[in-house]
Amino acid sequence: KAGVTQTPRYLIKTRGQQVTLSCSPISGHRSVSWYQQTPGQGLQFLFEYFSETQRNKGNFPGRFSGRQFSNSRSEMNVSTLELGDSALYLCASRQGTGANVLTFGAGSRLTVL
Amino acid sequence: SQQGEEDPQALSIQEGENATMNCSYKTSINNLQWYRQNSGRGLVHLILIRSNEREKHSGRLRVTLDTSKKSSSLLITASRAADTASYFCATDSGGSYIPTFGRGTSLIVHP
Repeated sequence: KAGVTQTPRYLIKTRGQQVTLSCSPISGHRSVSWYQQTPGQGLQFLFEYFSETQRNKGNFPGRFSGRQFSNSRSEMNVSTLELGDSALYLCASRQGTGANVLTFGAGSRLTVL
Repeated sequence: SQQGEEDPQALSIQEGENATMNCSYKTSINNLQWYRQNSGRGLVHLILIRSNEREKHSGRLRVTLDTSKKSSSLLITASRAADTASYFCATDSGGSYIPTFGRGTSLIVHP
């Protein structure tokens, strides 16, 4: 069974640009969550999508957005990038919103210059 | 914001020794999980313990949960160099079951 796939793995952007990250969950998993990991703040929850609907949202500004498609694949977008957005963005899937165990992808490393 | 906080922040031991990491949290939980992360990679689930359980084992891993003290510990017995990684506890509470992670313990096992 294929794992959670995130693309791209690495990317470099400049301040003010926008970025879109993609996540393909494990087959059969309908819930996709996104986390931001930085050395200073640790792992911070961004949002969760289930059946194309945002079910839960963390405490991030509106520049961070996401969506989920009918095949459960998810994208997150960050607009007007700031230096502080440099981070490892992790996607995780689980079977449903009541399931507990998350399966993580390898992450997308974003560097903002 | 972090619900769980791991202690110590860093731990350095020799191969064959046991490693113990602790996690404290603030509010009542449904479940507590431990995850491992190798440098710059995604997290891997290790073990889940429910709020009504006190101890669980998985191979060389032993997790305890004390809900009265709002704390958990992860014991890795007979550690190996391959155990070198960061270890995170994650708790979920309420109806969302969204795991909230601590900042992690960085474990280095010297061969």
